[in-house]
Amino acid sequence: KNQVEQSPQSLIILEGKNCTLQCNYTVSPFSNLRWYKQDTGRGPVSLTIMTFSENTKSNGRYTATLDADTKQSSLHITASQLSDSASYICVVSARGGSYIPTFGRGTSLIVHP
Amino acid sequence: GAGVSQTPSNKVTEKGKYVELRCDPISGHTALYWYRQSLGQGPEFLIYFQGTGAADDSGLPNDRFFAVRPEGSVSTLKIQRTERGDSAVYLCASSADSGTSGYNEQFFGPGTRLTVL
Repeated sequence: KNQVEQSPQSLIILEGKNCTLQCNYTVSPFSNLRWYKQDTGRGPVSLTIMTFSENTKSNGRYTATLDADTKQSSLHITASQLSDSASYICVVSARGGSYIPTFGRGTSLIVHP
Repeated sequence: GAGVSQTPSNKVTEKGKYVELRCDPISGHTALYWYRQSLGQGPEFLIYFQGTGAADDSGLPNDRFFAVRPEGSVSTLKIQRTERGDSAVYLCASSADSGTSGYNEQFFGPGTRLTVL
């Protein structure tokens, strides 16, 4: 069964600090992995997409990594801001067959001033 | 409209009532998805449309749930005989084409928060 596990479940950091969120998956055959940011009361918004051949990709202060061998991804946030407070959801899609991606439960990040 | 819109934003109903939730996808997007999200959880897949047809409805929890997309654009999720356990945020997403690899980004609406008393 395709699964996506995220850790930690929640995280509290001070403004300006860095943090790293983890995602482990068992989706196969792997196609791509997306990190979404979901602000409270809003729908998720895509931050990055990573395919099998990509190891790292940056989007501003967000940097995602992918290790397709160990089936792990991380999202690193640099110099956190109050607006980074949100839920971060890892979503993995399989190649061929199912059109439905597998969602993680998300990591709730709170950035305190 | 620039994005996916959903109405109403909030819906409070009584147990046993019927509700309809509406989704307006991004113009031209052929793929449309409905998800349900409970507090502290990721979105849970309900149903996927490609054009007018439901290509995959395996996520619908039971026959009280039904969705339509008669003209391949707007979609309505219908819930009969609502139960307290149906309370959640119902998210709609659209994408240009589902393809077979999921490369096309799903754009989400803000969701409808359904509360069943």
